Amino acid sequence: QVQLQESGPGLVKPSETLSLTCTVSGVSIRSYYWSWIRQPPGKGLEWIGYVYYIGSADYNPSLKSRVTMSVDTSKSHFSLKLTSVTAADTAVYYCARLYDYGDYSNAFDIWGQGTMVTVSS
Amino acid sequence: EIVLTQSPGTLSLSPGERATLSCRASQSVSSSYLAWYQQKPGQAPRLLIYGASSRATGIPDRFSGSGSGTDFTLTISRLEPEDFAVYYCQQYGSSPGFTFGPGTKVDIK
Repeated sequence: QVQLQESGPGLVKPSETLSLTCTVSGVSIRSYYWSWIRQPPGKGLEWIGYVYYIGSADYNPSLKSRVTMSVDTSKSHFSLKLTSVTAADTAVYYCARLYDYGDYSNAFDIWGQGTMVTVSS
Repeated sequence: EIVLTQSPGTLSLSPGERATLSCRASQSVSSSYLAWYQQKPGQAPRLLIYGASSRATGIPDRFSGSGSGTDFTLTISRLEPEDFAVYYCQQYGSSPGFTFGPGTKVDIK
């Protein structure tokens, strides 16, 4: 079955770059769009962006100046880089598959377990 | 930017009761792009409904979605013990792309 697994440092210093990877198994990474979504402790969900294997991507405008996403098809993983982090970026970061149901319908149907990232010196 | 509002913030019900959750958008949303998720403590969200009314794979038929335009509803016909959780609606449209509502917590009365 399709599985997603996030990995990366759990602690990042303020002003540095947060880097996470999501490893995809059970399906070709070329077949879908892939997203990052985050959730600050005790709060709701915020979409960060999505990426396709050819490099096309779209980001939340509120984060666009600091976000880069990419796909490595040889390793079947996709990545998130968020620069100049502050305490406000402390959150659980989820990777998710964006599934196209047709008829212009889509949703995040498969999620990783999430990884907690704390921004602190 | 489309803002989603969910009500009530908390719904206190007993097992076996019917739950009706509301999601209201600040402007019209395409039904095709309205989804509902369930999240339990310490877990990732789980997709329940896409396209406003289609159940995702493996979702029991006690979950149903309806609505159009700016008003959408998630109904749980008879609450099971495992249904007590937080529920989020989500839409996809113009900038900023995907947005989520603040969530409704369904807890045990």
